[in-house]
Amino acid sequence: AQSVTQLGSHVSVSEGALVLLRCNYSSSVPPYLFWYVQYPNQGLQLLLKYTSAATLVKGINGFEAEFKKSETSFHLTKPSAHMSDAAEYFCAVSEAGGGNKLTFGTGTQLKVEL
Amino acid sequence: GAVVSQHPSWVICKSGTSVKIECRSLDFQATTMFWYRQFPKQSLMLMATSNEGSKATYEQGVEKDKFLINHASLTLSTLTVTSAHPEDSSFYICSARNSRDSPHNEQFFGPGTRLTVL
Repeated sequence: AQSVTQLGSHVSVSEGALVLLRCNYSSSVPPYLFWYVQYPNQGLQLLLKYTSAATLVKGINGFEAEFKKSETSFHLTKPSAHMSDAAEYFCAVSEAGGGNKLTFGTGTQLKVEL
Repeated sequence: GAVVSQHPSWVICKSGTSVKIECRSLDFQATTMFWYRQFPKQSLMLMATSNEGSKATYEQGVEKDKFLINHASLTLSTLTVTSAHPEDSSFYICSARNSRDSPHNEQFFGPGTRLTVL
C-alpha cells in the first residue's frame, strides 16, 4: 500500500522568499515520486519526478525536490517565489515498476504575496 | 509532446440526462487512461483505469453502471455519466500514459471537465 501526506493545506510566502512544500510518503516498495501543479480550473502539470536516479531532482519553473529515504520525504522547494507560482501543488507516489497507479496527496495551496 | 485534451471543458445538464466526456491523447498512443474526480479544494480521486481494448477497472465505491468508460482506441477514452444527478456535479479529469514510454508511471493530464447537474 502507498500513501502521501502533505503537511499544510495552505502555505503563504512573500514574493522573492523561499518556497517549501512538504511531502512525506509511505510505500512498501521503492517509490516513484512526483510533484504536479494545478492552476484554477485546469488539469495537472508535471513539475518534476524522482525515479531512483539522482536524489536531488530539478524541475520546471525553478522548482526542485530532494528524495530522502531516511525521512521518507520528498519536499518541494524554490529559492525565490514568483507571483505566477500561486497554485495548488500535489505530491504523488507510485510503486516502482511499470503499470502502477498514482496516489495523490491532499494538495497544498500556495499563495504568493507582494 | 504528451498533450491530452478533454471535451467539453464544461457542461451543464438537467438531472436524469446522460453526459459524455471525451479524453484524447493528441501526440502519443495512450495504452492506459485514467479518470479522476475532484471536488472543490480536494485532491484527485481515481475512479477507474482503462486499458485500450479492455474493460475498465473501477475503484472501490465507484458505480460502473453509473460511470461508463470506453477506451476503444489508443487515442480516445470516453466517460459517460448516466442519469446524472446534482451529486455528480464535479470536476472530472482524465490522464493518459503509454506504458512503454512511461516506465516510471508518469501520467499526462487533460485540462478537466466541469460538470454541473441542475
